[in-house]
Amino acid sequence: EVQLVESGGGLVQPGGSLRLSCAASGFTFSSYWVHWVRQAPGKGLVWVSRINSDGSSTSYADSVKGRFTISRDNAKNTLYLQMNSLRAEDTAVYYCAREPAPLCSSATCYYSYYMDVWGKGTTVTVSS
Amino acid sequence: SYELTQPPSVSVSPGQTARITCSGDALPKEYAYWYQQKPGQAPVLVIYKDSQRPSGIPERFSGSSSGTTVTLTISGVQAEDEAAYYCQSADSSGTYVFGTGTKVTVL
Repeated sequence: EVQLVESGGGLVQPGGSLRLSCAASGFTFSSYWVHWVRQAPGKGLVWVSRINSDGSSTSYADSVKGRFTISRDNAKNTLYLQMNSLRAEDTAVYYCAREPAPLCSSATCYYSYYMDVWGKGTTVTVSS
Repeated sequence: SYELTQPPSVSVSPGQTARITCSGDALPKEYAYWYQQKPGQAPVLVIYKDSQRPSGIPERFSGSSSGTTVTLTISGVQAEDEAAYYCQSADSSGTYVFGTGTKVTVL
């Protein structure tokens, strides 16, 4: 069964740090790009960050740039999100989601840009 | 970054058709994707590349695009379709964005 399972959430004080993990199973993890998406209580989905298949390319939402770092260990089939300088507005359920890797020919690449499998999420609460 | 705007809510009777719009300046150039999210659950992809349906998604879900607006249509709405729906797009710079979300209520 294709599965993504997040962990590492919890209660942290403003200014603190937390590292989230996302364990993948049932598919070839190293063939997929992976994302973090968050959802504050009662609010909509917000994209946070993305990493490519081999970890050489990352991108971030402006709201977390410089504070959050996405990484992956393909040998362990695991995605990470290191969150530093946490703020109350970072309180949310954090989901990991996979994106099919681009299909590339010699001339161009065709990107998927969508997330076809999601984990159930882990809750982060930033509060004193 | 850019924005994707959706109506906050849509109400529909069982068996009728629900149409959810998503507007954004980048949509003529970029594909849109749609997700369904039921309370307490993770999102599920229901449409990709404007109008393609993943395997396992019922045929009553369809998507279309015209200019700066994309539309998710649910034909013959069932009670189980009551959920929040989000559009999403991305650009070549590696920025992804979700729409504001639409709550579909089945009367």
